[in-house]
Amino acid sequence: GESVGLHLPTLSVQEGDNSIINCAYSNSASDYFIWYKQESGKGPQFIIDIRSNMDKRQGQRVTVLLNKTVKHLSLQIAATQPGDSAVYFCADLIGRGGKLIFGQGTELSVKP
Amino acid sequence: GAVVSQHPSRVICKSGTSVKIECRSLDFQATTMFWYRQFPKQSLMLMATSNEGSKATYEQGVEKDKFLINHASLTLSTLTVTSAHPEDSSFYICSATRGTALDQYFGAGTRLSVL
Repeated sequence: GESVGLHLPTLSVQEGDNSIINCAYSNSASDYFIWYKQESGKGPQFIIDIRSNMDKRQGQRVTVLLNKTVKHLSLQIAATQPGDSAVYFCADLIGRGGKLIFGQGTELSVKP
Repeated sequence: GAVVSQHPSRVICKSGTSVKIECRSLDFQATTMFWYRQFPKQSLMLMATSNEGSKATYEQGVEKDKFLINHASLTLSTLTVTSAHPEDSSFYICSATRGTALDQYFGAGTRLSVL
């Protein structure tokens, strides 16, 4: 990810719908990509990660897709719930011992 | 699960004073701790990487004399904002890792307001 210091884009979805949050990254050498959830006034919480040699990984209600050709990452949340309302950040990492570089973030708002 | 405690959660101080923020790994020994800063509606920006017993590595543009980092043990790192000014007001977040940067566990953050 590459933070550019802009205000967060927002995504508003209806409860029960699926959400898709997108992220672009800039470093083609990144080995790992991670999605974090950050609730207001709290630190980031790990959701799911994917290695650069994969293009899809699934977790509980979440799926991450990686398109290295266009340097794009997405997080899909199935059956979105009000508790999913938060800011979602992608981050990338070069090597397991490298530094996390956070992307811009997307604010997800779930309407009941 | 791994727990990282950050203290205080919120601090208000006068301009020119110094503020210390603690980051503790409660149930594991952290080989490395990271300090991030986050302005409202923005992303996390890495400030420095801290390894126990050695000097912290600061990111470009972060003043090491202003943001003092001490990592005295495998479970505690501190960030001291010296001579704080209103522009230092931000959300400071630490993280700790048991092995690699991939396995980072984040604290709840400290909201610093400098008047």
